[in-house]
Parts: sequence; C-alpha cells; structure tokens
Amino acid sequence: DQQVKQNSPSLSVQEGRISILNCDYTNSMFDYFLWYKKYPAEGPTFLISISSIKDKNEDGRFTVFLNKSAKHLSLHIVPSQPGDSAVYFCAAGDNQGGKLIFGQGTELSVKP
Amino acid sequence: GAGVSQSPRYKVAKRGQDVALRCDPISGHVSLFWYQQALGQGPEFLTYFQNEAQLDKSGLPSDRFFAERPEGSVSTLKIQRTQQEDSAVYLCASSLAMTQGAGGGYTFGSGTRLTVV
Repeated sequence: DQQVKQNSPSLSVQEGRISILNCDYTNSMFDYFLWYKKYPAEGPTFLISISSIKDKNEDGRFTVFLNKSAKHLSLHIVPSQPGDSAVYFCAAGDNQGGKLIFGQGTELSVKP
Repeated sequence: GAGVSQSPRYKVAKRGQDVALRCDPISGHVSLFWYQQALGQGPEFLTYFQNEAQLDKSGLPSDRFFAERPEGSVSTLKIQRTQQEDSAVYLCASSLAMTQGAGGGYTFGSGTRLTVV
C-alpha cells in the first residue's frame, strides 16, 4: 500500500517557465512533508519542507503548497532552470521518529 | 567528515554470498538511517539508529538483513546469503536531531549499488 504517491513519472518544462510537481498521500497523521532532489549516482539532497500545520512554504524559487483536505502537496519551481533537471521525491514523516515514506519520484527535464 | 560517506560505491556479489556495506555519518550526528532504493522507485526505509541504539528495524525485509552501529558512529548493513531481489542502491543518511521534524531533512550519502548475479 503506497502511502505517498507521485503519479507523474516525468515532466518536461521550458527554461524560464513554471515547473509543478505533484504528490498525494493517504495517511492524515503525517506531521511534515519534504521534497528531495536527486542527480544520477548521487544521494537525494534536501530541498524544502513544510509542517502539516502550514499550507505554504517558500524558499527562493521553490514553493511547496499543502492541501490537507485533498491530501495533496505540490512543489512549484519558478523560474525553471536547466540545472533543475533531476528526479524529485516527495516524502512524509511524523514526529514519533525519523522514518520517512517516499514517493516514487518524478523526473524533471528543463529544456533550454 | 563533510558529508555522509558510504563504501563500497559498487558491489557485485554472487547469489548466496554475504556482503557488508559501510556508512560513515557526519561527525556528531545522532540519528542514522538505512534505505533501500530499487530501480525506478523511491527510497524505502530499512532501519534507524539513535546513537548505538537500533530504535526501528521494521523495514528490514528478512532476517538475512542485519544492521549495527556499535559505537554510535559508523554503521554496517550486512546482508547474508544474497538473493537477486536484493539488488538495489542502499542509501545511508544521518541527522543531528533525534527526531526529524519539518526542519532541514537529513543528509544522504551517495549510496552503494549492490548487484547480485
């Protein structure tokens, strides 16, 4: 049973435009959500997070939106740059420990 | 060190062979995690240490998998009698905090790619 789902395996965007990556979850008990970015042959690197009591968190070009009623979160990248091309994972966790549940990932390709 | 270091980077094992994967976390990091990432999938949780105590091993897929962190720093993930389905990238991560929270996430190593033939 996949508690965190990323239904789009890939996304292609033109440089300078907005990239929107989506993630759905089933467990309403998650306390926080995170986005990680992964380049080939490297480990995932932390990008941005949001607490379940918030609905938006912004960090530079990256904004994460949380819609708890829909159990949906999204990552917006504006403007998209070719260096943003990578696999993006959403993840969720609770305050009981450090375990994270990851989605399957979405491969973003930003074309010049 | 500056980051989480994992060794070896690549490991090819014959089916039935035992393997040991090493993780050197960031110095001073309390929490250490092991994840398994199959091709085309997200990382899946295996086990979690707080200092030398293994607090959660619910993700270990079978009793062939064993992890330890005897002195609260370096950790080893051991897989006995490897099977083809064990082929994956094994990721280690560490965190300064005891619990994750919505803070800064934790730091992953580059992983060990295990191929069982």
